[in-house]
Amino acid sequence: AQSVTQLGSHVSVSEGALVLLRCNYSSSVPPYLFWYVQYPNQGLQLLLKYTTGATLVKGINGFEAEFKKSETSFHLTKPSAHMSDAAEYFCAVTEDYKLSFGAGTTVTVRA
Amino acid sequence: GAGVSQSPRYKVTKRGQDVTLRCDPISSHATLYWYQQALGQGPEFLTYFNYEAQPDKSGLPSDRFSAERPEGSISTLTIQRTEQRDSAMYRCASSPGQGIGQETQYFGPGTRLLVL
Repeated sequence: AQSVTQLGSHVSVSEGALVLLRCNYSSSVPPYLFWYVQYPNQGLQLLLKYTTGATLVKGINGFEAEFKKSETSFHLTKPSAHMSDAAEYFCAVTEDYKLSFGAGTTVTVRA
Repeated sequence: GAGVSQSPRYKVTKRGQDVTLRCDPISSHATLYWYQQALGQGPEFLTYFNYEAQPDKSGLPSDRFSAERPEGSISTLTIQRTEQRDSAMYRCASSPGQGIGQETQYFGPGTRLLVL
């Protein structure tokens, strides 16, 4: 069965600092991996996804994530946080069509 | 439409009442999904449709929950005899193809249901 663990339910970073959100997954087959972001009063928006090929995936708003099969991880990073990055972030995995989500990480950005 | 829309955005109901939530997917999207998100948790899969067909409803918590998509477009999720534990955000998503894993699912804003 597929599942996702996100380490840290809340992360606080200073504006301009590195953003690192951790995601580990379990899957019995090669997975498809996603990061979604939710801004207040909006739906989940895709940041990036890994399907096959290059393990370093670049997404919108300067985010990227690296698929590491040996570590079963798909951590999300952004080199320099902006105030607009304050949101809730969800990592998700699927083997077929059902997305299995982690519990989410809320990011706050300090000025 | 331009994106996935859901209505109502908020619903407050009393225990024992029936509620119906609506999802209007991106036009031409073949596949539609329903998820339930409890407070502090990630969304959990309920069911999905490929056009009118409903191949998997294994995530529906009980037989009080049902969903339909009669014309392969708009979908409704109905909860009968609501209970307080049904309080959650209900999210709808759609994807263009047949529901294969690598497809992006596009989410609506959700319906926040509160059962008193």
